[in-house]
Amino acid sequence: QVQLQESGPGLVKPSQTLSLTCTVSRGAFSDNYYWTWVRQPAGRPLEWIGRVFTSGDTRFNPSLSSRVSMSIDTSKKQFSLNLNSVTAADTAIYYCAARVGGRPLDYWGQGIQVTVSS
Amino acid sequence: EIMLTQSPGTLSLSPGDRATLSCRATPNFGGDYIAWYQQKPGQSPRVLIYGVSTRATGIPDRFRGSGSGTEFTLTITRLEPEDSAVYHCQHYDQSPLPFGGGTKVEI
Repeated sequence: QVQLQESGPGLVKPSQTLSLTCTVSRGAFSDNYYWTWVRQPAGRPLEWIGRVFTSGDTRFNPSLSSRVSMSIDTSKKQFSLNLNSVTAADTAIYYCAARVGGRPLDYWGQGIQVTVSS
Repeated sequence: EIMLTQSPGTLSLSPGDRATLSCRATPNFGGDYIAWYQQKPGQSPRVLIYGVSTRATGIPDRFRGSGSGTEFTLTITRLEPEDSAVYHCQHYDQSPLPFGGGTKVEI
């Protein structure tokens, strides 16, 4: 049973870079998982940000692709999200999640609130 | 790129009622990689249904997924107060993996 925990700053200034890390525990950090980031502004729908495969291959939401990057550190059992040039519109709860091919997002972190404000 | 539109936005029902939630996909992606998630206030989403109609482990049979092509439905029978939540559909085949706008069910 995979467990996920997000970490990172809860407050980011406009125009700066939002950086979050997800630590994986109680599960093999194997090459079968798509490690994923999803966000949800208050009262708004879920938005798929993108995913990184264990090989390092990434796919992003086209609406965010110019500002987002993801990476993975298998030795630390962590994967990360960077979103640059943030604005107030990037204020949201950010979730890390995981799935294997052919399956939905079976595993979710508890979410971390990130506010963009000066 | 697939887009998912959920309706209605909000359902207000009574215990024991039946809820019918819709998720419309455009264009027709011709597969069955549709999932439904339940999200209660302050919680992360959890999978209810995947593969259009397969219930996730531990999900009671009051929850039923159906549909094909562009129209997918989540039906919740014998509503209980604990079913109050936002329900999201998602296409999870090829990236990007869009979510619908969500339906809030109030009991």
